[in-house]
Amino acid sequence: GAGVSQSPRYKVTKRGQDVALRCDPISGHVSLYWYRQALGQGPEFLTYFNYEAQQDKSGLPNDRFSAERPEGSISTLTIQRTEQRDSAMYRCASSPGLIFPGSYEQYFGPGTRLTVT
Amino acid sequence: GIQVEQSPPDLILQEGANSTLRCNFSDSVNNLQWFHQNPWGQLINLFYIPSGTKQNGRLSATTVATERYSLLYISSSQTTDSGVYFCAVERTGGGNKLTFGTGTQLKVEL
Repeated sequence: GAGVSQSPRYKVTKRGQDVALRCDPISGHVSLYWYRQALGQGPEFLTYFNYEAQQDKSGLPNDRFSAERPEGSISTLTIQRTEQRDSAMYRCASSPGLIFPGSYEQYFGPGTRLTVT
Repeated sequence: GIQVEQSPPDLILQEGANSTLRCNFSDSVNNLQWFHQNPWGQLINLFYIPSGTKQNGRLSATTVATERYSLLYISSSQTTDSGVYFCAVERTGGGNKLTFGTGTQLKVEL
């Protein structure tokens, strides 16, 4: 597609439920990233993939959070047993990830606004 | 981890005015990007500028990597420039993850 897309755009869920957030990166981009953005702050890194391999998950806050990218394209971020503190904007980004100038420029999707009640 | 500080935190301009936003970072970087988060929450790429100077219309940016800072210049500001401007860096050897600054909230008034 023309840009990074995410779905759903808005998600309201009750505490204790599981949620799955989807990211469709720019076609052909090798690298895919997940960030979380609290209100009034900049995005914070969660995890990233090159192709289907998860390269770094150091930003995932705890083991309720997981991510996958099984075919090296679409990715899903799953939050189990949601808590109110999980409420935030979840953003996905992708980059070409090839070795030439500008290949690591990240392009962000519109985000999923998650509210846990 | 790397520290990224932006100044000023808030800025109010009259339409047509010029401004300079600053980003200081605490370690060497491979990547530096400037973003504009508009009032609808979209995060828009402005510049990919790990070093040197670039211009795009009324906007330009300069990064002096050896001195660990970057500047974003906005000339002839318009109301559509309102929003939050973020600087984000990828620390050398830190993997391909961006660390964002706290942002500059800009409001352009008529």
